[in-house]
Amino acid sequence: EVQVVQSGGGQVKPGGSLRLSCAASGFTFRDYTMNWVRQAPGKGLEWVSSINSLNYMYYTDSVKGRFAISRDNARNSLYLQLNSLRAEDTALYYCARKGVGSTPMDYWGQGALVIVSS
Amino acid sequence: QSALTQPASVSGSPGQSITISCIGTSSDVGTYNFVSWYQQHPGKAPKVVIYDVSNRPSGISNRFSGSKSGNTASLTISGLQTEDEADYYCSVYTIDNTPLYVFGTGTKVTVL
Repeated sequence: EVQVVQSGGGQVKPGGSLRLSCAASGFTFRDYTMNWVRQAPGKGLEWVSSINSLNYMYYTDSVKGRFAISRDNARNSLYLQLNSLRAEDTALYYCARKGVGSTPMDYWGQGALVIVSS
Repeated sequence: QSALTQPASVSGSPGQSITISCIGTSSDVGTYNFVSWYQQHPGKAPKVVIYDVSNRPSGISNRFSGSKSGNTASLTISGLQTEDEADYYCSVYTIDNTPLYVFGTGTKVTVL
């Protein structure tokens, strides 16, 4: 059974840092592109970052230079390092697997809440 | 790149059909057939109901259908049921561009 389980999150002051983790199981993790998608309270979905099987990384413009996506295939884990956090980064952050070929994000984690507030 | 435009809300009675539009541009919806639709119930993670414009993942009811014309994609839910009440988001995968994914503004579907 495919599972994506998230950990991390919490409250941090503006300018602070946090690391989100995502543990995957039930599939060959190294073969899949993994993604981070966030949802601000009461708002819509926003793609944040992706990393493919070749370790190519992609970021939305608003987080470039502040967030860093990484993966550890030996541990079947995905990470998102959030630095220089701003109030507008407050959101529920989801980890999601992209399916093979053209299939979209087919398995999602439960979400991790990040609150940036003084 | 801006979010794709969806109506804020759509409603219908049980058994009726509703259609949700997703308006993009020639740089996203108009170019790529990697259009997906996600259903999100309150407090839950999104779940894909349509991908590649009109394909249904295994286990998704055939009451859900998708289409695209020009810069506009559409999701139709036929035979509306109470469990269809949720938020729906369209999304376009732009392969190697940035942003890699563009999401719609979201539509709240209410079953009257």
